[in-house]
Amino acid sequence: DIQMTQSPSPLSASVGDRVTITCRASQSIRSSLNWYQQKPGKAPKLLIYATFNLQSGVPSRFSGSGSGTDFTLTISSLQPEDFATYYCQQSYSTPYTFGQGTKLEIK
Amino acid sequence: QVQLQESGPGLVKPSETLSLTCTVSGGSISSYYWSWIRQPPGKRLEWIGYVYYTGSTNYTPSLKSRVTISLDMSKNHFSLNLSSVTAADTAVYYCARMDAVAALYYFDYWGQGTLVTVSS
Repeated sequence: DIQMTQSPSPLSASVGDRVTITCRASQSIRSSLNWYQQKPGKAPKLLIYATFNLQSGVPSRFSGSGSGTDFTLTISSLQPEDFATYYCQQSYSTPYTFGQGTKLEIK
Repeated sequence: QVQLQESGPGLVKPSETLSLTCTVSGGSISSYYWSWIRQPPGKRLEWIGYVYYTGSTNYTPSLKSRVTISLDMSKNHFSLNLSSVTAADTAVYYCARMDAVAALYYFDYWGQGTLVTVSS
């Protein structure tokens, strides 16, 4: 199985900050990397697919980059509604696997 | 707008079979891949498997011997059966649709999730 590791966890930040979350795969997954946002008691919500594609309706302050084994999710200016847990997920090969999550907390 | 809704028992006894159904509205099940994903309390998400609209399936190896995912086009729903459950199968279970761009897959629509507790 491909192991996905996120850092940092947790992450403390303030409204207006620029934050970056990193996801590393245990082997190359080319561009098969997706990002999800999950709030307590809710289902995950797709933010970014195939490394850098913004899902419809997701604010443009979210962006993704990377390739191979190293990927990043960047939020350019944190808003109050962005405090949540973020997961990366690889779809390069089955079984599809998720990172352990990065909880974004208010500083 | 596509919507998914899980249904099934919230409590299952050890050694019995966990059975859930995901009803799809706002779109047809006769396309796409349809997945089950679970999240044990306080843990990361775990992909269980998918069924394609043709009926072909793919399961995670750690659960393959106990899992069956099937679909019913006449009812526009798909189902999960997980046999011989233990406390380790206690989790929130999500159903999700898997779409793709240039063979790069992602889960774009999710059900709200349903908590299944395994306990006598």
